Amino acid sequence: GAGVSQSPRYKVAKRGQDVALRCDPISGHVSLFWYQQALGQGPEFLTYFQNEAQLDKSGLPSDRFFAERPEGSVSTLKIQRTQQEDSAVYLCASSGQGVISGELFFGEGSRLTVL
Amino acid sequence: GNSVTQMEGPVTLSEEAFLTINCTYTATGYPSLFWYVQYPGEGLQLLLKATKADDKGSNKGFEATYRKETTSFHLEKGSVQVSDSAVYFCALASINAGNNRKLIWGLGTSLAVNP
Repeated sequence: GAGVSQSPRYKVAKRGQDVALRCDPISGHVSLFWYQQALGQGPEFLTYFQNEAQLDKSGLPSDRFFAERPEGSVSTLKIQRTQQEDSAVYLCASSGQGVISGELFFGEGSRLTVL
Repeated sequence: GNSVTQMEGPVTLSEEAFLTINCTYTATGYPSLFWYVQYPGEGLQLLLKATKADDKGSNKGFEATYRKETTSFHLEKGSVQVSDSAVYFCALASINAGNNRKLIWGLGTSLAVNP
């Protein structure tokens, strides 16, 4: 596609439910990032993939968060046993050149609300 | 650790007014600096960047100069338009212990331009 696509755009989950958020990066982009953005805050880094390899997952807040990119293209962020503090917008970004160039292309985000 | 501090919003201006959004940073070494913009209902997109001291990034009438002596990267525009209404994020590229690069973000500054 022309840009980064994320789905679902909106997700409402009951506390304790598992959720899966999908990201379709720009075709050919090797780098893929997940960020969490709380209301009124800047994005907070969660994890980074280069192709299918997860090179940095230092930002994942707990072991309830899991991300994968098995074929080096589409990525899924999974949150198990959701808690209210997980409510946020989850942003996916891809890059063909890496972070130093600053050319991260973002999707519109998936807004998760945990009741 | 590395961090970015930007002025709090919201900022409200009349059309054709001069805009300054302050951004200062703390970082080791020589990070690259960026301004991203998020228009209503859209994903984050790169506005401009600077990769070394004294560089000036510019785009769409916006400018920012990388000032190492004051550790600043203030965003300026001489004459704002209604279409500039958005949230603006200052960010720097950081290298972690695993030599992986990621962006560190400010909290964002909301700008509203009235006709």
